[in-house]
Amino acid sequence: QSALTQPASVSGSPGQSITISCTGTSSDVGGYNYVSWYQQHPGKAPKLMIYDVSNRPSGVSNRFSGSKSGNTASLTISGLQAEDEADYYCSSYTSSSTLRVFGGGTKLTVL
Amino acid sequence: EVQLVESGGGLVKPGGSLRLSCAASGFTFSSYSMNWVRQAPGKGLEWVSSISSSSSYIYYADSVKGRFTISRDNAKNSLYLQMNSLRAEDTAVYYCARDRPPSMTTLDYWGQGTLVTVSS
Repeated sequence: QSALTQPASVSGSPGQSITISCTGTSSDVGGYNYVSWYQQHPGKAPKLMIYDVSNRPSGVSNRFSGSKSGNTASLTISGLQAEDEADYYCSSYTSSSTLRVFGGGTKLTVL
Repeated sequence: EVQLVESGGGLVKPGGSLRLSCAASGFTFSSYSMNWVRQAPGKGLEWVSSISSSSSYIYYADSVKGRFTISRDNAKNSLYLQMNSLRAEDTAVYYCARDRPPSMTTLDYWGQGTLVTVSS
């Protein structure tokens, strides 16, 4: 069982917007602004999409945005494109001895 | 260009040992914290271990504590993971990943991974 809870799957049509949630506790997501999001295509390495809740690394499309409210962080993808179909993972710093935790991952299907 | 290349994976029997390596290039390795993250077949990502730039701070997931040892050689631009007492549940692709400075909170570059299979 993952430390952070994500929906197993979400779907949307091209051009639409979707949101993936990531729920933790006050010891991780709720307690720090250190939530990051990763995109992983099949057979490929994960790629950083969002860091520190809402910051985009250079080169990541502005269609990707992040936010947080309480113990739940969210990744929103607007203007869905076929190439957005992938698995998405959230991660957070945690005050426990284990330093960081991941969510179980969400499979995004572009219909 | 930042490059992280893992090696050392393979087939090992339960109870056996394996040492993974990660060769880094394209950045000042000695200035960055580094990590190992694994992914079991068909499963999600699991953080394994982190090490600070000077090896002063080291962290492990509870699932590997006491069995795995992370280390680095800044002169060789290399990260290592010594894995002992391997179990079937350690079967996974192991990724080497760099921390985005200044803190150990974001993994900004990942290698392509090396597969470890623990089976008799």
